[in-house]
Amino acid sequence: GDSVTQMEGPVTLSEEAFLTINCTYTATGYPSLFWYVQYPGEGLQLLLKATKADDKGSNKGFEATYRKETTSFHLEKGSVQVSDSAVYFCALSHGSSNTGKLIFGQGTTLQVKP
Amino acid sequence: DTAVSQTPKYLVTQMGNDKSIKCEQNLGHDTMYWYKQDSKKFLKIMFSYNNKELIINETVPNRFSPKSPDKAHLNLHINSLELGDSAVYFCASRHRDRGTGELFFGEGSRLTVL
Repeated sequence: GDSVTQMEGPVTLSEEAFLTINCTYTATGYPSLFWYVQYPGEGLQLLLKATKADDKGSNKGFEATYRKETTSFHLEKGSVQVSDSAVYFCALSHGSSNTGKLIFGQGTTLQVKP
Repeated sequence: DTAVSQTPKYLVTQMGNDKSIKCEQNLGHDTMYWYKQDSKKFLKIMFSYNNKELIINETVPNRFSPKSPDKAHLNLHINSLELGDSAVYFCASRHRDRGTGELFFGEGSRLTVL
């Protein structure tokens, strides 16, 4: 079945450091790919998405490129802030399917220190 | 104003009790979901309804019973609560035939079973 694998956390960085969180997936066909963020004590918010190969999703300085050849969707940010501290989830969905469920990776906790 | 709202936000109860969590969305979506997030932050799909029809029923104990009185509401009733039911339960929604598959999440309901 479909699955998503993220790098183990926690990831601890200093403010203004470069961030990469790796995400790879296994899926049939051409899923849509997402990054969600969960701030402490809150629900999940969509951070960015990409729906086809080579698409780049971007939002709030974060970027991720849908790489079909490597089945990856790595999240990057050039300069992290303390306010970026959260849990980040990579996910996939077959949006056109009858169920449309999201399959999540295990989440990666990011801690940014001043 | 809240798009996907869940009640209660916190629930503390004793083993063996029966409890319900309610979810409502005002986004005009036709598909709703329940996810369970365990203590390690892992998110797992439990149920999904499309226009009041059950379309996803993952391997969940039959003590859990979802009900969708209309497409804007999805409730979760849990009988004979066990310690292992302690988790955060997230409701989510989307419109099946529109968008690119992203789900919109509520803020979660934290259930603690003592």
